[in-house]
Amino acid sequence: GNSVTQMEGPVTLSEEAFLTINCTYTATGYPSLFWYVQYPGEGLQLLLKATKADDKGSNKGFEATYRKETTSFHLEKGSVQVSDSAVYFCALSDIAQGGSEKLVFGKGTKLTVNP
Amino acid sequence: DAGVTQSPTHLIKTRGQQVTLRCSPKSGHDTVSWYQQALGQGPQFIFQYYEEEERQRGNFPDRFSGHQFPNYSSELNVNALLLGDSALYLCASRTGSSYEQYFGPGTRLTVT
Repeated sequence: GNSVTQMEGPVTLSEEAFLTINCTYTATGYPSLFWYVQYPGEGLQLLLKATKADDKGSNKGFEATYRKETTSFHLEKGSVQVSDSAVYFCALSDIAQGGSEKLVFGKGTKLTVNP
Repeated sequence: DAGVTQSPTHLIKTRGQQVTLRCSPKSGHDTVSWYQQALGQGPQFIFQYYEEEERQRGNFPDRFSGHQFPNYSSELNVNALLLGDSALYLCASRTGSSYEQYFGPGTRLTVT
C-alpha cells in the first residue's frame, strides 16, 4: 500500500539556521502531498500542500517541491525561528475507489530551535 | 468561523469500558474522518463518514464504530477499551469538492 517515510528526529537547530526535513513516498498513481505541523498539546495544522508533480507548496517561509522522479517532498526553510519548534508530519492523500480518501502519515519529525 | 471542534478534551477510562468522542466539522464541511495518534507516532486513519455512511475504514477492529448525524457532526465509539487504545483521537473535516482536511485539537484518551 501507499506509505510515507520521513527523516527520523529529533532535529535541533539554532535560530536562523537552514532546515531540511526529508520525506519520500511510495504510491500508485499521483497522490497529493502535504506537510502538517503539530505544536505541543495541539492538533494538526496544514502547513503546505502540492497536488501534482513539480508543484511547489509554500507557507510561512517553508517550502516543499513535489518531485515525481525521486518520489520526494522535502520540507525546507531558510531561517528557522524558535516559534517553529514543533513536530512536522509528511502525508499523502490515498484515494480509494468511489472517491473517498485517507491521509497516510509519516512518523513525524520533532524540531527544536534554540535561541 | 469556528474550525473543527472536539469534545471532550481529555478522558480517562478503565479497561473494558466504552467511550464516545464527539466532533463538529468546520462550517460548510460535510465529510468527517477520524484518526488515532499514539504517542510519538503519526496519525492512523480509522474511518471516514459522508452522508451519514461509512465510506472507508482503516485497519481497526469492530470495537471502533462511528456515526454521522444529519448536521454532519460525528461520533466515534470504542467498546471494550484496551490499554493500547490510549491515544490522541483526531477528527478532520473537508468539503466534498476538496481533499484538503482540517483537523480539530483532538481528544486525549487514557485507558488505565
